[in-house]
Amino acid sequence: QVQLQESGPGLVKPSGTLSLTCAVSGGSISSSNWWSWVRQSPGKGLEWIAEIYHSGTTNYNPSLESRVTISVDKSRNQLSLKMTSVTAADTAVYYCATYQALLGFDSWGQGTLVTVSS
Amino acid sequence: DIQMTQSPSSVSASVGDRVTITCRASEGISTWLAWYQQKPGTAPKLLIYDASSLQNGVPSRFSGMKSGADFTLTISSLQPEDFATYFCQQASRFPWTFGQGTKVEIK
Repeated sequence: QVQLQESGPGLVKPSGTLSLTCAVSGGSISSSNWWSWVRQSPGKGLEWIAEIYHSGTTNYNPSLESRVTISVDKSRNQLSLKMTSVTAADTAVYYCATYQALLGFDSWGQGTLVTVSS
Repeated sequence: DIQMTQSPSSVSASVGDRVTITCRASEGISTWLAWYQQKPGTAPKLLIYDASSLQNGVPSRFSGMKSGADFTLTISSLQPEDFATYFCQQASRFPWTFGQGTKVEIK
């Protein structure tokens, strides 16, 4: 299994943009995985945000799609997430994870806490 | 979205007890259900997929099954390391959705 490590600012101002990266080690981001972002907040539990295949095919949660962009950087072997117009409701621990069809999320990063506050 | 409802929200049990957690989907998802275990401060860990298939390395005291519209996760003999929160997740249709979690606490 691959190892995943999220990074990014822990504090984002309301109406700002949240930007996170996920470094992939022990495997290639060009492998046959769906690369996902999932977040967890006390109020909403676990929420799937988006996923991307190495080919560039993406799927988004319709509730977030208008504000979210997921991408891969093959040269850096990393996954990225951008979320615009954030509010306090976006405060959560953000995880990157691999998703195997018909299996589930089988590898997870350790998660990174993002707080939206002025 | 497919809503996943878990019950109970928490359960108190002792080491050696048999514990069963239930998850119900708001619509049919065939057997496309996974179960995860999460301990405080750590990421969820995949335990079971396809409703009843054990992920590699997961102890055999964990089992899953589907009965009608209900999915169950059973821990046959609770061990100290099993005290955690458990989530179900449907893998049938976008967007992937999770149950709200069941916390297994020490009695």
